[in-house]
Amino acid sequence: SQQGEEDPQALSIQEGENATMNCSYKTSINNLQWYRQNSGRGLVHLILIRSNEREKHSGRLRVTLDTSKKSSSLLITASRAADTASYFCATDFQGAQKLVFGQGTRLTINP
Amino acid sequence: KAGVTQTPRYLIKTRGQQVTLSCSPISGHRSVSWYQQTPGQGLQFLFEYFSETQRNKGNFPGRFSGRQFSNSRSEMNVSTLELGDSALYLCASTRTGRNEQFFGPGTRLTVL
Repeated sequence: SQQGEEDPQALSIQEGENATMNCSYKTSINNLQWYRQNSGRGLVHLILIRSNEREKHSGRLRVTLDTSKKSSSLLITASRAADTASYFCATDFQGAQKLVFGQGTRLTINP
Repeated sequence: KAGVTQTPRYLIKTRGQQVTLSCSPISGHRSVSWYQQTPGQGLQFLFEYFSETQRNKGNFPGRFSGRQFSNSRSEMNVSTLELGDSALYLCASTRTGRNEQFFGPGTRLTVL
């Protein structure tokens, strides 16, 4: 079973708007990562946040982590059509290369 | 640097057959992980290899196996294929000491 639950399952917004996706997990983690997948292709690593970090930025991406609530959020600002993809959170709770993925959020950016 | 490569990209097999998928990691990466992605179960971890040794294993039956060679290339094998094995199989490599995984494009396996 999946460790992570993502919310919403699908999100459709207009180009230029901000998109926020949420992820919740069940057990203590070493780090949490976000990945993007375009239409059934391989995943692309976006950002990693460690369990002792609360917020991290990378370009138009902002990730927060609340370990007390076992949740994380990914914010994409000023969305573009090219951001249309599925976004997955993945937790690494054993300190090993064994990521546990959520079901993903399917993001559609409308021009 | 070249990315993670997987061959073949597409494969069609029939029930009962076996299949071998190949993964070449990014140069210098010694850890290779395999994942199965299906619409129903999502992304699930199969196993991880490091220096030719299986370090971690997911909850898959023994029909799923893998190995890693001295050049870090990895193969996974599925024997006695079932319809439910139809999926996108992804491999990912990781640099030692890091946690970010770099994924290949996947092998789309269809079992008829």
